[in-house]
Amino acid sequence: DQQVKQNSPSLSVQEGRISILNCDYTNSMFDYFLWYKKYPAEGPTFLISISSIKDKNEDGRFTVFLNKSAKHLSLHIVPSQPGDSAVYFCAASASSTGNQFYFGTGTSLTVIP
Amino acid sequence: SQTIHQWPATLVQPVGSPLSLECTVEGTSNPNLYWYRQAAGRGLQLLFYSVGIGQISSEVPQNLSASRPQDRQFILSSKKLLLSDSGFYLCAWSGGVGWDEAFFGQGTRLTVV
Repeated sequence: DQQVKQNSPSLSVQEGRISILNCDYTNSMFDYFLWYKKYPAEGPTFLISISSIKDKNEDGRFTVFLNKSAKHLSLHIVPSQPGDSAVYFCAASASSTGNQFYFGTGTSLTVIP
Repeated sequence: SQTIHQWPATLVQPVGSPLSLECTVEGTSNPNLYWYRQAAGRGLQLLFYSVGIGQISSEVPQNLSASRPQDRQFILSSKKLLLSDSGFYLCAWSGGVGWDEAFFGQGTRLTVV
């Protein structure tokens, strides 16, 4: 039972344009959401997070938006750079149940120079 | 600062052989610890998590087990590996309090032949 879903397995974007990665979740107990970036044969690295009390969090070129009513979040990268090419995972946790992190299946982003 | 060590980086094991992957965390006390698996073409599946010494919760029934003999040590084991156990195994830790991120090790590529 996949509680966190990323329905787009891949995305290609031109350098300098905006990349939008989407994520949906089903568990209403989730109150903390994270995005990770992963290169092949490496562990994921934390990018940005958002708690359920916010609807937007920004860190440099990265912005995460949360729509709690739709159980949807998205990661915006602008401007996109070739070094952003990687697999991006969305994750969610519920602080009330011990912070197990549940991940989506990932979206492979390719930024074309 | 906190660091997480995971070894070995790669492992090739025959079907039916035992498995032991080790993970240690430095620079923090009483972390939450996690084992994840990334199978080919799939997301990160939570296998086990631990909130303290000897406290292990399993997310999915399988051929694997986990143990936490010390506060900052987490071990993934199997008595007899199956072909389906092949994958990329990741250890992670988090502070375990409130809204918090998980930080990953570099992973172990396990190939069962």
